Amino acid sequence: GAVVSQHPSRVICKSGTSVKIECRSLDFQATTMFWYRQFPKQSLMLMATSNEGSKATYEQGVEKDKFLINHASLTLSTLTVTSAHPEDSSFYICSARSASQGNIQYFGAGTRLSVL
Amino acid sequence: QKEVEQDPGPLSVPEGAIVSLNCTYSNSAFQYFMWYRQYSRKGPELLMYTYSSGNKEDGRFTAQVDKSSKYISLFIRDSQPSDSATYLCAMGSGNTPLVFGKGTRLSVIA
Repeated sequence: GAVVSQHPSRVICKSGTSVKIECRSLDFQATTMFWYRQFPKQSLMLMATSNEGSKATYEQGVEKDKFLINHASLTLSTLTVTSAHPEDSSFYICSARSASQGNIQYFGAGTRLSVL
Repeated sequence: QKEVEQDPGPLSVPEGAIVSLNCTYSNSAFQYFMWYRQYSRKGPELLMYTYSSGNKEDGRFTAQVDKSSKYISLFIRDSQPSDSATYLCAMGSGNTPLVFGKGTRLSVIA
């Protein structure tokens, strides 16, 4: 299967700071990338969908100014959590899809964010 | 009614048992169906995918889709402690994002 690399795997930051999470498709070109948030023992909650070179489409209730998404190339998307607060602490997971892989979404290993 | 329904469990079985995991869905437009496995604090890993009704087998795993009943299943034969994880069903159509079930937590006891 295709490989999606997500970095960092764990980040601890102070309240008010910004955190950037990177998601890379290593062996395929990702025309579409997705960002999810997951609380303990809960399912995946889609935050936004981004297509390369276009603005991200955010799900209802997700603040686009809070969660900045950039998908500048076919292999890289970033999620920046701006002015993070303790309630932003969660597990963030990216996913990538390309036409060459059918409609299969491949996932990164996730980033555990803790805001103190 | 939610688009995808999946019993969250937890499901606990002895090693060697056959495990049956299921999801039902309401959207008849769904065209493709997937099962992911997620270990604790890791991203989901694709196990099986199928685009049609019927069975698909891969090693100890069999995915079954019944579009007429809007019902999909994942069977795990000869279950192992390493199969202990959360199993997520997912489905979609066209270019829309996958719709996930809530996941079923499985524990295989040695």
